Formats: sequence, structure tokens, C-alpha cells
Amino acid sequence: DAKTTQPNSMESNEEEPVHLPCNHSTISGTDYIHWYRQLPSQGPEYVIHGLTSNVNNRMASLAIAEDRKSSTLILHRATLRDAAVYYCILRDNNQGGKLIFGQGTELSVKP
Amino acid sequence: EAGVAQSPRYKIIEKRQSVAFWCNPISGHATLYWYQQILGQGPKLLIQFQNNGVVDDSQLPKDRFSAERLKGVDSTLKIQPAKLEDSAVYLCASALRGRSNYGYTFGSGTRLTVV
Repeated sequence: DAKTTQPNSMESNEEEPVHLPCNHSTISGTDYIHWYRQLPSQGPEYVIHGLTSNVNNRMASLAIAEDRKSSTLILHRATLRDAAVYYCILRDNNQGGKLIFGQGTELSVKP
Repeated sequence: EAGVAQSPRYKIIEKRQSVAFWCNPISGHATLYWYQQILGQGPKLLIQFQNNGVVDDSQLPKDRFSAERLKGVDSTLKIQPAKLEDSAVYLCASALRGRSNYGYTFGSGTRLTVV
């Protein structure tokens, strides 16, 4: 399974943008980049995914490097409700599309 | 749409006892997954179903864990006998299909404590 590397933790101030980095230097051409987040005492929640182009949705934006070896999840205005563990995951269509979670980045948001 | 339902929410058992968890996926979702999440770690995939067939159970400790998905809808995960190291949150997730361009929806999980 292709690996991702994320910082263990990050801090942000409320109402400021947050950029969560992810390195995936061994990504293959069939790997999609998925982001999930897990709030305390809840199951993981889908955030966004992409293949090559940058993606935007109501929750976040995903910026993918041109060589696809890294990506950044962008929360445009952090709120206290965004405090969670964020997982960057490579999902291989050739392996049944299963999600293999790493340790993730624990994001704390200060008021 | 209704989410993924799991029960019970919490369970405390003694070691060597058996326990079962139930999952009802989102209607129409063909793919169902069970994950184990130990405190402080990311979820670990135990088993993947496509309809009522097993796609991947390579990480399932088959000497004590079993899972089934009758009629391709609800699923149960059983542990018999439980060990102390089985204390974890057991998460069920479903997806429309197993392909990479579909997101998963997770349930809130069952927190198991083995004493």
C-alpha cells in the first residue's frame, strides 16, 4: 500500500486559514488522494478527494502538486468544530478501493 | 439520507466472553467495511464485503473474529473469545461501490472494553 506522511499535530487560530500538508512520494498513477477527518468520539468523515487537478467543495479545498507527490488540504476559515484528526489516504482503484489509514494530523483550533 | 447505523454504542465484557456488533449500511451501498480502531491509532481495516461476498479479510484474526453479511445488507462482526487487546472502537463503513472515486460513510462505532 502506498504510504503518506503527515505531521503529527498542528495548531490554528479560529477564523484563519489552515493548510494541512501530506507527502506521498510513492503515489502511483491509479491512486486517488482522499482526505477524511475524525472528530472526537465519532467515525471518520469524508472531506474531499482528487486525482490530478485541484478540487473544491463546501468543506475544503485540495491542492495537488503537479508531480502528485504531495498535496495540501485547505480549510479556508477554521472554526472550533474543525478540531479533529485529519487523515490523508491514497486509495488504489486496483486494490478494491480500500482505505488504509495512517496516523493522521491532529488539528487543534484556538479561539 | 440515513447514515450507517451501528449497535450497540458501548459494550463491556470479560475476557474469554463472546460479543457481536451489528451494522446497517446506507441503503443501496454494495460495499461494506469493518475497521478496528485502537486508542490513539488510525482505523485498521479488518474485512471488506462486496454485496454478500468477502473481498478482503487478510487482516481479520480468523481464530477469534468472524463476520458475515447476509443478503448483502446488514452485517455482524463477532469476537469469540475476546482478549484484553481487543479493546477498541469497531467501525463500520459503507460505500456505493469499492472504486476509488466514491467516498465511504462511517458509523459512529461500537466501543468495546474487555476487562
